[in-house]
Amino acid sequence: TQLLEQSPQFLSIQEGENLTVYCNSSSVFSSLQWYRQEPGEGPVLLVTVVTGGEVKKLKRLTFQFGDARKDSSLHITAAQPGDTGLYLCAGRSSNTGKLIFGQGTTLQVKP
Amino acid sequence: KAGVTQTPRYLIKTRGQQVTLSCSPISGHRSVSWYQQTPGQGLQFLFEYFSETQRNKGNFPGRFSGRQFSNSRSEMNVSTLELGDSALYLCASSGSGGGTDTQYFGPGTRLTVL
Repeated sequence: TQLLEQSPQFLSIQEGENLTVYCNSSSVFSSLQWYRQEPGEGPVLLVTVVTGGEVKKLKRLTFQFGDARKDSSLHITAAQPGDTGLYLCAGRSSNTGKLIFGQGTTLQVKP
Repeated sequence: KAGVTQTPRYLIKTRGQQVTLSCSPISGHRSVSWYQQTPGQGLQFLFEYFSETQRNKGNFPGRFSGRQFSNSRSEMNVSTLELGDSALYLCASSGSGGGTDTQYFGPGTRLTVL
């Protein structure tokens, strides 16, 4: 069974601080996605990374896919209260094509 | 373009009952996937339908079933409800459902089993 472990599970920081969320697995994924989910809504896709070592930037968010395509990280620079939410990583299984989600990281950014 | 819609948004049932949830994908999308989200287990894949055929299935008991209609709308059914079935059920649609295809999630149906 392919698993994705996200850490930390909870993060409470002050506005302006930097943070990194990690997503790790012992399995290789053909692609990895990051989503953000707000209360009462479904997850919204932030980015998809496909190539090992790939780095993508979305304003203050930087996403990296590990060289071996087994892990990924999300770094937020100068976090703002609007960044508050549940961040989910999801890997596309090379074998089954299923999308496997990590447990999620709940981020709270205090003003 | 309208997003993914799910009905109903909230549902309360008792143990042993059955329930049907509905999902209308974005117009033109042919793939619909269903997920169960709970605080303990996170988001877990239930099944995926493409052009009225189940293309992929997660590790859930046979009480969980689904179908897709010719207009791509999908329903999922849970029979003989258990307390542990209380969860947010999310539906996601995409054009083809493969590879890096973007999935668009609906707001979910919150099911509470008493």
